[in-house]
Parts: sequence; structure tokens; C-alpha cells
Amino acid sequence: DAGVIQSPRHEVTEMGQEVTLRCKPISGHNSLFWYRQTMMRGLELLIYFNNNVPIDDSGMPEDRFSAKMPNASFSTLKIQPSEPRDSAVYFCASSLGSQPQHFGDGTRLSIL
Amino acid sequence: AQKVTQAQTEISVVEKEDVTLDCVYETRDTTYYLFWYKQPPSGELVFLIRRNSFDEQNEISGRYSWNFQKSTSSFNFTITASQVVDSAVYFCALSGLIQGAQKLVFGQGTRLTINP
Repeated sequence: DAGVIQSPRHEVTEMGQEVTLRCKPISGHNSLFWYRQTMMRGLELLIYFNNNVPIDDSGMPEDRFSAKMPNASFSTLKIQPSEPRDSAVYFCASSLGSQPQHFGDGTRLSIL
Repeated sequence: AQKVTQAQTEISVVEKEDVTLDCVYETRDTTYYLFWYKQPPSGELVFLIRRNSFDEQNEISGRYSWNFQKSTSSFNFTITASQVVDSAVYFCALSGLIQGAQKLVFGQGTRLTINP
């Protein structure tokens, strides 16, 4: 079975550009999560969706960040405009109900 | 607020030694879950185990074992006869069930290096 699929795996872009990260959850899973991992702050939950509805976005850093889940098989995390401090590894995870979350391989984002 | 503390930032041992990774948590929830995830050098996060707060039985899976003690709010992870392939960052995490989904709070991780 396919796991959580994230794209791109790596992204390097210049400050001020728009960045879009993509995630395809495991088929049948009804919860989707976006995390950010940095050396300073570790793994932080940014936002999560249940049945495509955003439940808690309190971890989203600021208005430059937005996330959508238009259907059960796709989600995006967008940063506009991007800044160097947004450089991190961004993980997407999915789960079914109260079952453990399964993570994608992550997107390594570098903002120059 | 929920909090997970992994006091050991880095551990380095020689292959075949036993090693224990400590995890202490704080929560006001009566029902919660505890997890361990492994992040190898390749970067992905691999689920290892989940325990719920009502099940304090220790668990063993091959060379891995977990000791959950509610009285001390700890969920420690022991690797017996460590191998080089065990080298990774290990994360302990805590969650409650919120609107049908689990909101994970991670510790800072312990970087484990197994030397040949």
C-alpha cells in the first residue's frame, strides 16, 4: 500500500516567492496533519484536518501560511511570501480515527 | 498544557550495549496516548509503538521494549543488544483525542549513535 506522499522532496527558492507543498494522504484515512521540523523548535504541529475540515490551525505561524484540503486525497500548505526563517522540513501525516499517524518523507524547504 | 521531555539530547554507545531512552510527560487529560517514533538519517519518521493511558503493561518487540509508568509519568524505551542500524533520532510523543483525531506533542528527540 502507498504511504503518505509528499511533493516536492526538496524545494529551494528565493525570499518573497510563493511556495506550495503538496500531500496525498493514505487512502481511507480521515485525518491529515501538517508539521514543521526545525533544529530550534523541533517538531511542531501546524494544522490538522478531520474529514477535510480544518480543526485546529493554532500552530500556523502567521498569515503568510495557509493550508487547504479540497478533497480527501489532497492537501496543500502554502507560504506567501516566503522568508528565510521558513526554511525547515515540512511533514504531512495522516491517520484513521484514533489510529497512529503515518508520516510522509517530508519536504526539505530552503528559502534563500 | 501537554508537554514531553526527553532529557537526553544525545547518547553514544558501542554496538551490542543496551541503551535506554527516557521520556517524561505532563498532561491533565485522564485519557491519552504515548508514542515513540524513529527518524533515521534518511529523514522519514517511522512509527514504533503506541500505548494508551489505561494500559501500563510493558511491551517487548524483538530487541525493543517499553516501560510505561503512570506513577512517574514516564514512558521509557530500551534497545537491547544495540546495532549500528539503530542509529537515529528517537522521538517520544503524547496525544489526546480531539474531535476524532490525535494531536501529537513531540519531545525534542534523543539522537542515538551506535558505534561499531
